[in-house]
Amino acid sequence: GAGVSQSPRYKVAKRGQDVALRCDPISGHVSLFWYQQALGQGPEFLTYFQNEAQLDKSGLPSDRFFAERPEGSVSTLKIQRTQQEDSAVYLCASRQAPRRLAGTDTQYFGPGTRLTVL
Amino acid sequence: GQNIDQPTEMTATEGAIVQINCTYQTSGFNGLFWYQQHAGEAPTFLSYNVLDGLEEKGRFSSFLSRSKGYSYLLLKELQMKDSASYLCAVKDYGQNFVFGPGTRLSVLP
Repeated sequence: GAGVSQSPRYKVAKRGQDVALRCDPISGHVSLFWYQQALGQGPEFLTYFQNEAQLDKSGLPSDRFFAERPEGSVSTLKIQRTQQEDSAVYLCASRQAPRRLAGTDTQYFGPGTRLTVL
Repeated sequence: GQNIDQPTEMTATEGAIVQINCTYQTSGFNGLFWYQQHAGEAPTFLSYNVLDGLEEKGRFSSFLSRSKGYSYLLLKELQMKDSASYLCAVKDYGQNFVFGPGTRLSVLP
């Protein structure tokens, strides 16, 4: 597609519910990132995929958070037993180059999913 | 640890020049990026610096001093549409982009 897309754009969940957030990266982009952005703050790194391999999940705040990218394109971020502190915008970004080709290749962000946990 | 500091808010007048500063302390450095983010929208790429000096791109310029851990974004001929948050991000030696808290710029008529 022309850009990174995410769905749903808005999600309201009751505390304790499970949610699944979807990211469609730019076609052909090898790298995919998930970020969490609290209101008025910068994005905070959650996890990184190179193709289907999850190479870094150091930013996931707890074992309730799980991400996958089984075929190396679409990715899903799942949050189990949601808590109020999970309320944030979840941003997905993709990047063309893999790790070894670092440089000016920037990330392209999707519009985000705003999650509100009541 | 990783630490990036930016002013929280700035205000400027339409047509003026504004400089947004960013200081960083990170475990590695492989480039510094500036992004613009309008409320409720995705961050969009503005500029990239990996060597010391000034990079100019139209009305926007970005400066880097690696020895000082310092960068700034300069916006000239401000327009109302420039009202947004400006995010400074450092790429470490891995794939991580460490973002600052963002500077919310308000451009007044």
